[in-house]
Amino acid sequence: SAVISQKPSRDICQRGTSLTIQCQVDSQVTMMFWYRQQPGQSLTLIATANQGSEATYESGFVIDKFPISRPNLTFSTLTVSNMSPEDSSIYLCSVVRTSSYEQYFGPGTRLTVT
Amino acid sequence: GENVEQHPSTLSVQEGDSAVIKCTYSDSASNYFPWYKQELGKRPQLIIDIRSNVGEKKDQRIAVTLNKTAKHFSLHITETQPEDSAVYFCAASSGGYQKVTFGIGTKLQVIP
Repeated sequence: SAVISQKPSRDICQRGTSLTIQCQVDSQVTMMFWYRQQPGQSLTLIATANQGSEATYESGFVIDKFPISRPNLTFSTLTVSNMSPEDSSIYLCSVVRTSSYEQYFGPGTRLTVT
Repeated sequence: GENVEQHPSTLSVQEGDSAVIKCTYSDSASNYFPWYKQELGKRPQLIIDIRSNVGEKKDQRIAVTLNKTAKHFSLHITETQPEDSAVYFCAASSGGYQKVTFGIGTKLQVIP
């Protein structure tokens, strides 16, 4: 498995502000993803974080709302911009190790927007 | 794109009984099928996976079966224990560096 950390673990933010979530992995991985999981729901892929280039977004998610950076093979950030209460959710980063199919998840960031 | 359907959405079993969760997928190119267990307030944990060149895989009390022709795969948990209570997600991908598509999840309750 991979050791994945996320910061912050939780936050309460005001409407209209932005929050940046960090994801750090203990070793180089090929793929990094960002997911959203609303209470009692499944995992929804936001985007694939590409090292050194723009992220690949899924339908319904746009760069202006969820800018993503991945400056190297072990670190990525997701920003939730101009937040509204509908953005309240758990955000998880996920990685796939080089030469492996297995995907592992970080501990998640619980975001509440008031 | 891939579509994964999962059922049942909730499942209650008596301790010691078996539990079966079933999933179907739509993309015939999918060749990797992981299962995740998510306990309340925790991250999803990979518990077992199967690739399309295998029909069945077992790991102690957990087994997965895959029927490529019918495009369905199942998770079997035998001799269930209270600590098996969690939400289980099936998923499918075309493997390697491709994204994984998740089912809606099954909330399993094991009654002592």
